[in-house]
Amino acid sequence: SSELTQDPAVSVALGQTVRITCQGDSLRTYYANWYQQKPGQAPLLVMYGKDNRPSGIPDRFSGSSSGDTASLTITGALAEDEADYYCSSRDTSSYLYSRDSSAYLVVFGGGTKLTVL
Amino acid sequence: QVQLVESGGDLVKPGGSLRLSCAASGFNFNDYYMSWIRQAPGKGLEWISYISSTGSTVYYADSVKGRFTISRDNAKNSLYLQMISLRAEDTAVYYCARTNSYGYVYYFDYWGQGTLVTVSS
Repeated sequence: SSELTQDPAVSVALGQTVRITCQGDSLRTYYANWYQQKPGQAPLLVMYGKDNRPSGIPDRFSGSSSGDTASLTITGALAEDEADYYCSSRDTSSYLYSRDSSAYLVVFGGGTKLTVL
Repeated sequence: QVQLVESGGDLVKPGGSLRLSCAASGFNFNDYYMSWIRQAPGKGLEWISYISSTGSTVYYADSVKGRFTISRDNAKNSLYLQMISLRAEDTAVYYCARTNSYGYVYYFDYWGQGTLVTVSS
């Protein structure tokens, strides 16, 4: 299966560290990407690949991976980090995955609602 | 700066059709793959389609295959999504997104603000 599983909700105290996880078989082979979405806004890419932050993303955001689980860590969470976070990666469950090497289909996790207390 | 502006969302009856557009600016549109991603009200993100930079390669999620068609006009810096046989479950905000790759995985580095498609009688 290429489903990506995320905890529906996570909370963190202001200034503390929080890890948001994403689990799936495809993550044993492929990197996860991470998006932040605040209410009423479009998603924003905050991490891609092994541990790459797009320009403008604070360095309190970091990424890591182990086995079938990818993680987005926020070190020193701020109130402005309160948002929904989605992981994504390659969809390895599609029949196309094994038949067409150029088919880079994408699957998203269900999202994690981060509350900063 | 990179800008993506979607348009065309509307209220449409089940079985109806709609065409979404996405106007791109601030980057060389010809060089990038592009995608459509949707989000049903109160739900998560769902990738539905991408198109190569030349338009020669397209892929779709199973949920829309055979009903949706992605296309682009590089001369007009525009991306399109033609939707037919619309269903209630297609109700969502539709985002266009610039698409990049890293390690054989596509990711979306810029997103539009989205356009709402509502399928209801």
